[in-house]
Amino acid sequence: DTEVTQTPKHLVMGMTNKKSLKCEQHMGHRAMYWYKQKAKKPPELMFVYSYEKLSINESVPSRFSPECPNSSLLNLHLHALQPEDSALYLCASSQGAHGYGYTFGSGTRLTVV
Amino acid sequence: RKEVEQDPGPFNVPEGATVAFNCTYSNSASQSFFWYRQDCRKEPKLLMSVYSSGNEDGRFTAQLNRASQYISLLIRDSKLSDSATYLCVELANAGGTSYGKLTFGQGTILTVHP
Repeated sequence: DTEVTQTPKHLVMGMTNKKSLKCEQHMGHRAMYWYKQKAKKPPELMFVYSYEKLSINESVPSRFSPECPNSSLLNLHLHALQPEDSALYLCASSQGAHGYGYTFGSGTRLTVV
Repeated sequence: RKEVEQDPGPFNVPEGATVAFNCTYSNSASQSFFWYRQDCRKEPKLLMSVYSSGNEDGRFTAQLNRASQYISLLIRDSKLSDSATYLCVELANAGGTSYGKLTFGQGTILTVHP
């Protein structure tokens, strides 16, 4: 299994809703990542988990809350989002510091209304 | 100054053309670089790694010039299926960690037409 699986593929949520994005990999990778990609822009790193511990938070607003329940799963909890948070949210995983096997999921396209 | 800067494009070329993309980076200590390809509304996918010695994969050739902090991608004999956004990517990792942070250039849009 060489895939990163993200669900849902599409999500529309209101500004008062709470929702979660899910990411799963079974490649034994010990680093997992959340990236955000706005339209016509490159992906930007949000969070890094290494060995299930949060290693990097790129000054992301607290309305985004990551969680790593185990080495295969990564969640992103969303609460009180703004329309400008609408974007493609990409999960990735890798093995080791040199990014061996860096693999992206197909993303969740989020629209905040 | 942005960490990774790319030609803005867009590039619009006929099938069979040769096209080159360039990219510069600001951190002289950066170790690893890649070219990714991203199709419309899809995730980025690794195209190839970039080495100082240069590397070739079929019609694609990537080159890293550390002295000039410059990266290039050459596509020969362009195909319609090469139409995509090409992203220059730097991998940064802190010593002793087991993860790597990818920093993407702005991307260059390539359209190959018949």
